[in-house]
Amino acid sequence: AQSVTQLGSHVSVSEGALVLLRCNYSSSVPPYLFWYVQYPNQGLQLLLKYTSAATLVKGINGFEAEFKKSETSFHLTKPSAHMSDAAEYFCAVSGAGGGSQGNLIFGKGTKLSVKP
Amino acid sequence: KAGVTQTPRYLIKTRGQQVTLSCSPISGHRSVSWYQQTPGQGLQFLFEYFSETQRNKGNFPGRFSGRQFSNSRSEMNVSTLELGDSALYLCASSLGQVGTEAFFGQGTRLTVV
Repeated sequence: AQSVTQLGSHVSVSEGALVLLRCNYSSSVPPYLFWYVQYPNQGLQLLLKYTSAATLVKGINGFEAEFKKSETSFHLTKPSAHMSDAAEYFCAVSGAGGGSQGNLIFGKGTKLSVKP
Repeated sequence: KAGVTQTPRYLIKTRGQQVTLSCSPISGHRSVSWYQQTPGQGLQFLFEYFSETQRNKGNFPGRFSGRQFSNSRSEMNVSTLELGDSALYLCASSLGQVGTEAFFGQGTRLTVV
């Protein structure tokens, strides 16, 4: 079965610093991978997705993620953090081998704090 | 294009009651999925409907049920509410093919007292 592990439930960075949020997946077949962001009392907003077209995926708000099959990782990065990036971030997987078409399997989430 | 609409946004119910939540997907989307979000368990998949048929189901008791109408709108019902059912319930719509992204509503915050 597919699963997703997000390392670090809380990450704190200074404004302007690099953001790195870690995600490792477990899948017997190439998965589809997603990063979502959730602001307080809101739903989830898609940041980016990986569907095997390119290993480096660019998303909204300056975020990007790199798919590394050898490391089974899909870490999310942003070169320079902004105060508005403070939110909770979720990595998710779907696709053959576990999650069906409409079923996303989420990691536990990483809460990002940005210090002025 | 209108997004995913969930109603109501907030609900307070008493133990033992039942509740119905509603979700209107993005126009043209035939897949609607429901998720429960709690601080302890995180985001957990409840079920998915595609063209009025339940296509996939998570590991929840039978008190949790759903349905989808011909216009793709979906409802989720929870009977005999328990305190542990207090959560944010999120609905997501998508085209329904493997790898297509899901778009989420703002959720319904259910509090059981």
